[in-house]
Amino acid sequence: DARVTQTPRHKVTEMGQEVTMRCQPILGHNTVFWYRQTMMQGLELLAYFRNRAPLDDSGMPKDRFSAEMPDATLATLKIQPSEPRDSAVYFCASGQGTGNTIYFGEGSWLTVV
Amino acid sequence: GENVEQHPSTLSVQEGDSAVIKCTYSDSASNYFPWYKQELGKRPQLIIDIRSNVGEKKDQRIAVTLNKTAKHFSLHITETQPEDSAVYFCAPVSGANNLFFGTGTRLTVIP
Repeated sequence: DARVTQTPRHKVTEMGQEVTMRCQPILGHNTVFWYRQTMMQGLELLAYFRNRAPLDDSGMPKDRFSAEMPDATLATLKIQPSEPRDSAVYFCASGQGTGNTIYFGEGSWLTVV
Repeated sequence: GENVEQHPSTLSVQEGDSAVIKCTYSDSASNYFPWYKQELGKRPQLIIDIRSNVGEKKDQRIAVTLNKTAKHFSLHITETQPEDSAVYFCAPVSGANNLFFGTGTRLTVIP
């Protein structure tokens, strides 16, 4: 059963520390998304990639967030330095092509204290 | 980008009743219309979708209807059960891909 894998599942860190979240998309999927969700609110798009190229990261605070795809099997989202307001669930999702279903990972639950 | 709105934002129904959630969008080029369900503490998962060449699709107790002229599509759940309690998101897709999710509708089914 193919699925999107995210690590870590849970992370508690102190303000100012660097946080790196990782995502392994479903094999064969060429589109990867990063979403942020707070307190069961809406899904805020942070960035997305197609064929490893960043297509849109306008929703991402550039001063502290960065997203990359070092290869087709790994996407990373980094926060440096982290702040308490970054506490949220970060979801990675992957899909194939355009106009098709996307599949979400279990999420990385981040708490910054 | 796409302007997506969902109504209502919260919905409570008695078990066995029907629930309808409406999603309006702005991009007339949208051609794929999925609904996702998110249970508390879980990831969003696709429950039903429809493409622009179809007006309605059913899967057991859930259905989606599409009105492309009016630019809205709706999720219908019949014979609701407590396990239907969740947050539901629409995410109409145009030529790009799923970028913009609706604000979500919290459905509570009262036993």
